[in-house]
Amino acid sequence: SAVISQKPSRDICQRGTSLTIQCQVDSQVTMMFWYRQQPGQSLTLIATANQGSEATYESGFVIDKFPISRPNLTFSTLTVSNMSPEDSSIYLCSVADRNTGELFFGEGSRLTVL
Amino acid sequence: GNSVTQMEGPVTLSEEAFLTINCTYTATGYPSLFWYVQYPGEGLQLLLKATKADDKGSNKGFEATYRKETTSFHLEKGSVQVSDSAVYFCALSWANGNQFYFGTGTSLTVIP
Repeated sequence: SAVISQKPSRDICQRGTSLTIQCQVDSQVTMMFWYRQQPGQSLTLIATANQGSEATYESGFVIDKFPISRPNLTFSTLTVSNMSPEDSSIYLCSVADRNTGELFFGEGSRLTVL
Repeated sequence: GNSVTQMEGPVTLSEEAFLTINCTYTATGYPSLFWYVQYPGEGLQLLLKATKADDKGSNKGFEATYRKETTSFHLEKGSVQVSDSAVYFCALSWANGNQFYFGTGTSLTVIP
């Protein structure tokens, strides 16, 4: 299993500003995943963060809006840039157990953009 | 392609009632199947899983059986409690978890 810590757990932000979410894992992992969960909806994968290479973004998500860093095997950040109210969501960091295929999640970062 | 379809909510039940949340999937081959639960204000937690046909996953009184013939993984519990109030997500995965597909989630509220 993996224990994942995310910061901040929640924040209220002003339109046009940017916020960086941090994700710390208690073990070394190759891939880390960033998901978005909009109010009342399911999870949407934003990007996959690999250590030592550029993140891979899903359709509809771009690096300029959601830059990701992956400086080592236990840490990643996701920045939500130039925020608008439509970015109000829960952002979730996750890692996969390669042996079981299970996905582990952080507690999530709940962003509200005014 | 791969997809997961689950019963739309919200679902409201009285305590000790029987729960079924339907989940069907579309995939080629044999993916792993999961149910995740999200309690209010928290992240997602694995509830149970099954990795091959006819496997039954179980945890906390919840059960789900991997049915290849009907491509289903319905979640059941014989007697729900107020503490089971949460959103439940059905999911499938490939490639050791590197490809995950989630259903839309089903909100369950259990009233005393």
